[in-house]
Amino acid sequence: DTAVSQTPKYLVTQMGNDKSIKCEQNLGHDTMYWYKQDSKKFLKIMFSYNNKELIINETVPNRFSPKSPDKAHLNLHINSLELGDSAVYFCASSLGTSAYNEQFFGPGTRLTVL
Amino acid sequence: QQQVKQSPQSLIVQKGGISIINCAYENTAFDYFPWYQQFPGKGPALLIAIRPDVSEKKEGRFTISFNKSAKQFSLHIMDSQPGDSATYFCAASIEDSSYKLIFGSGTRLLVRP
Repeated sequence: DTAVSQTPKYLVTQMGNDKSIKCEQNLGHDTMYWYKQDSKKFLKIMFSYNNKELIINETVPNRFSPKSPDKAHLNLHINSLELGDSAVYFCASSLGTSAYNEQFFGPGTRLTVL
Repeated sequence: QQQVKQSPQSLIVQKGGISIINCAYENTAFDYFPWYQQFPGKGPALLIAIRPDVSEKKEGRFTISFNKSAKQFSLHIMDSQPGDSATYFCAASIEDSSYKLIFGSGTRLLVRP
């Protein structure tokens, strides 16, 4: 009965590789997000999708490409991984795009680039 | 203008004490101020939130105090418990096309037994 789930939980890979993180929510929400949390715990939004359409795209390198096959899924693909990509990536969802809607976060994916 | 400044970075409180975390913002267009709680190895979860039309909101042991003129808001945890040990994030957002939360830098709270 997990609300927002992410796979994998841990990802260790070499520089230059391409990797994907998957996210699924079973809350029936319309809006999904990707956040990056760095080693200092700073939490910053990367992307947001509403009904499979991109609505927020922060200044993220184009090596990062989100894909939303349906409202319940938002995946993150990262090309040519760099050392600075090491972080914890959180997926989140909310009922809609209103700023007042609570965001529900997944458990995070810890990405380590060697 | 889009920043939310949070202090202190870390806080140690004895069990039963009051924990106070402060946040300040510049953008007067912000109109929603949530606090999120994050336990180690978990994602953040909404704790309590306030809108600028009220100066205080209380839920159990957690209270948000809001000072619109000073552009500051704070989280007070009364009777702090070891189970409250976590990282706390304040945030702010605007009900416009941005749809995004701007998070503070986080406060790591440790409540000693």
